[in-house]
Amino acid sequence: DADVTQTPRNRITKTGKRIMLECSQTKGHDRMYWYRQDPGLGLQLIYYSFDVKDINKGEISDGYSVSRQAQAKFSLSLESAIPNQTALYFCATSDLAGLAWFFGPGTRLTVL
Amino acid sequence: AQSVTQLDSQVPVFEEAPVELRCNYSSSVSVYLFWYVQYPNQGLQLLLKYLSGSTLVKGINGFEAEFNKSQTSFHLRKPSVHISDTAEYFCAVSAPNSGTYKYIFGTGTRLKVLA
Repeated sequence: DADVTQTPRNRITKTGKRIMLECSQTKGHDRMYWYRQDPGLGLQLIYYSFDVKDINKGEISDGYSVSRQAQAKFSLSLESAIPNQTALYFCATSDLAGLAWFFGPGTRLTVL
Repeated sequence: AQSVTQLDSQVPVFEEAPVELRCNYSSSVSVYLFWYVQYPNQGLQLLLKYLSGSTLVKGINGFEAEFNKSQTSFHLRKPSVHISDTAEYFCAVSAPNSGTYKYIFGTGTRLKVLA
């Protein structure tokens, strides 16, 4: 089984809809992250969580919210999707020292 | 705060030629450095990483990178590229002693290997 799984892998939705992207990891790590990838911009950090009770905003958190349901699960929500949120979204987890990182396969989201 | 700069957005190179993808970083504290590859329609795969010790790091698929602290660089090299190396390459930095343990990514370099 993959270390980090993301569902769905692809999603097309309309402006104004609520969308949830889910992430699960089997590494047993406390730290989890959501990144967004746009062409020419690399990966930008949306939110990160250092444990179940610790949630932090990243560089581009506006328009997004997250939920850490358990150590292994970290969900990203778009309360009211807009077209400029069309992007590739990656979930990741890391060990405490930041030495070992594991990325999910990505979710391609299109907002029409 | 840390930052990463990949000056080359695209690098075309002929098959079997050498290639160097440039990465410069900025940080006031010691850092870990990473290179990732992303093949079309796929996720990120770790190529190599520098944590400490020898400044020349060897990774998968024949890639290597050299950490140069004085020039704050971590350039990726391969002596002979293949068509299958066509992908996007990301340099990333994390600062383990900064208390944040976040990755900062560069904007990526698209390597196009030509036949």
